[in-house]
Amino acid sequence: AAGVIQSPRHLIKEKRETATLKCYPIPRHDTVYWYQQGPGQDPQFLISFYEKMQSDKGSIPDRFSAQQFSDYHSELNMSSLELGDSALYFCASSLTRNTEAFFGQGTRLTVV
Amino acid sequence: DQQVKQNSPSLSVQEGRISILNCDYTNSMFDYFLWYKKYPAEGPTFLISISSIKDKNEDGRFTVFLNKSAKHLSLHIVPSQPGDSAVYFCAASANSGTYKYIFGTGTRLKVLA
Repeated sequence: AAGVIQSPRHLIKEKRETATLKCYPIPRHDTVYWYQQGPGQDPQFLISFYEKMQSDKGSIPDRFSAQQFSDYHSELNMSSLELGDSALYFCASSLTRNTEAFFGQGTRLTVV
Repeated sequence: DQQVKQNSPSLSVQEGRISILNCDYTNSMFDYFLWYKKYPAEGPTFLISISSIKDKNEDGRFTVFLNKSAKHLSLHIVPSQPGDSAVYFCAASANSGTYKYIFGTGTRLKVLA
């Protein structure tokens, strides 16, 4: 079965650079979520989209932005990267809310 | 403010025995709960979920129990297998116009052969 696809899997950036993470949800899933997981921490909710509209916002820095496109894929744009942005970034999708959310394999971002 | 808590950071269980992972929540608006299994550097894998209209849901070796009055849920794994060794997260969501799942802090389960 098709799963959530994230790219790239690994990304190394320097401080103050920008990064773009991509997420391709499971077909027919209309809701996409982004999470950040630092070392030894639980996944922290960043932002979600339902039917291409932003639906919820969590602890997402102003330096980050995201959008969901007409084909339902989503991109997380991160600017002015800081060392503290180094983390695993997960995308998940679900068939509307309050249903099972399935996660991608994540993107490991390292800021040096 | 941690709305979903897993008070046991780690748990060790002998192979073949029952593993019980616990989760507490504070937000009474939560009405849908999920359990995920996670290996290092991989995405969480969905295991089982439960809606607040139920108090039990079973899928193979996994059973989730929900006690709404106590704001507590638990995941039972019977029998435990070495391949179950991973970090387990509970997550919760509220069907009140929000689109997000709040995760607990995780419990590292080690199943001993």
